[in-house]
Amino acid sequence: AQKVTQAQTEISVVEKEDVTLDCVYETRDTTYYLFWYKQPPSGELVFLIRRNSFDEQNEISGRYSWNFQKSTSSFNFTITASQVVDSAVYFCALSEGGGGSEKLVFGKGMKLTVNP
Amino acid sequence: EPEVTQTPSHQVTQMGQEVILRCVPISNHLYFYWYRQILGQKVEFLVSFYNNEISEKSEIFDDQFSVERPDGSNFTLKIRSTKLEDSAMYFCASSEDLLAGGWNEQFFGPGTRLTVL
Repeated sequence: AQKVTQAQTEISVVEKEDVTLDCVYETRDTTYYLFWYKQPPSGELVFLIRRNSFDEQNEISGRYSWNFQKSTSSFNFTITASQVVDSAVYFCALSEGGGGSEKLVFGKGMKLTVNP
Repeated sequence: EPEVTQTPSHQVTQMGQEVILRCVPISNHLYFYWYRQILGQKVEFLVSFYNNEISEKSEIFDDQFSVERPDGSNFTLKIRSTKLEDSAMYFCASSEDLLAGGWNEQFFGPGTRLTVL
């Protein structure tokens, strides 16, 4: 069974601080995909990143970076030099690949508040 | 840029009434999904749809729910007799044909907020 755990429910930081959002996942499949989505106060889901289970290379995109470690079943997300516009709920999600409906299983989300 | 659209953006209904939430997926996409997010909670998978039939459904998707692709462009979610606990944001998503052993990005619509009174 698939499961995603985001242990932190809410974090509040001051602008320019770095913040790391934790994500731990469970799956029995060897082929799977991990995602991060951002949900701003307006409510839409904004896709941030997808990684597949065969690619453990960390990724950096501007102020965002992701650390994927299969050994600990974690896919953590770091925002460097946070900004007020980063305030949102962030969801980690998992999908088992290889055919079928490829549904996304989401974690409970982590609300990030960045204060000026 | 093509996008998934959903109507209405907000629907208010009385308990026991039927509602139909509408989605227009991206035109060349073949897989369609509905997800639900109760306020303040996580996004939950409801159902996936391919080739005019349900591919997979969750435990939430009981007999009160149905999906349909009535005309080749719309994808609808019907709730027959709404309950208070159906109040949630409902997201539609679509993706291209699935790559063998791979995954295609699901594009999400902006959501329909359903309020059951």
